[in-house]
Amino acid sequence: GAGVSQSPSNKVTEKGKDVELRCDPISGHTALYWYRQSLGQGLEFLIYFQGNSAPDKSGLPSDRFSAERTGGSVSTLTIQRTQQEDSAVYLCASSFTGENSPLHFGNGTRLTVT
Amino acid sequence: KNQVEQSPQSLIILEGKNCTLQCNYTVSPFSNLRWYKQDTGRGPVSLTIMTFSENTKSNGRYTATLDADTKQSSLHITASQLSDSASYICVVSAGGSYIPTFGRGTSLIVHP
Repeated sequence: GAGVSQSPSNKVTEKGKDVELRCDPISGHTALYWYRQSLGQGLEFLIYFQGNSAPDKSGLPSDRFSAERTGGSVSTLTIQRTQQEDSAVYLCASSFTGENSPLHFGNGTRLTVT
Repeated sequence: KNQVEQSPQSLIILEGKNCTLQCNYTVSPFSNLRWYKQDTGRGPVSLTIMTFSENTKSNGRYTATLDADTKQSSLHITASQLSDSASYICVVSAGGSYIPTFGRGTSLIVHP
């Protein structure tokens, strides 16, 4: 079946511009995560959605970052006024509810801010 | 603070050789531990999950161990193949939390 789909796969933007990254989770998965992975670094948690509950935004690095999940499915991560330090791979993952459910990751969006 | 430490940071081995990757954690209360494989340019993929009562679990040439007393896990790869070249990430979940703690990964390179 279809996995987690992210678009675009690559995005180059100028410093100061806004960008939107999209994530289509696996159908039926109620949980959705966004992570950031800088070159050679581990995954940094950004935000977590679970069903219709209020999202856990504790990992967002600044108020320039926001995310929404419409209809409990597709999610969009928005970065406003991008900075060079925002350059990274942004990974989305989805899963069923439950601590033992594995995260299924997309292949990420590589963001480059020039 | 929940933490996951992995060693070595990187490892180079010859094709056909075995290797063992280490993971130490301070996540509490412990729920489960997963090993993920991340190929270059791809998202991580789950290899195996270990719960509190499990000591050893195999998935093909991959064998994971867990010592809940010392809070250590290892991933042993047998008869390595070129396709094993990837980053291996240890991820630990705490009871009552849906946000797991990720290690920084071990980068494995298998040379022919």
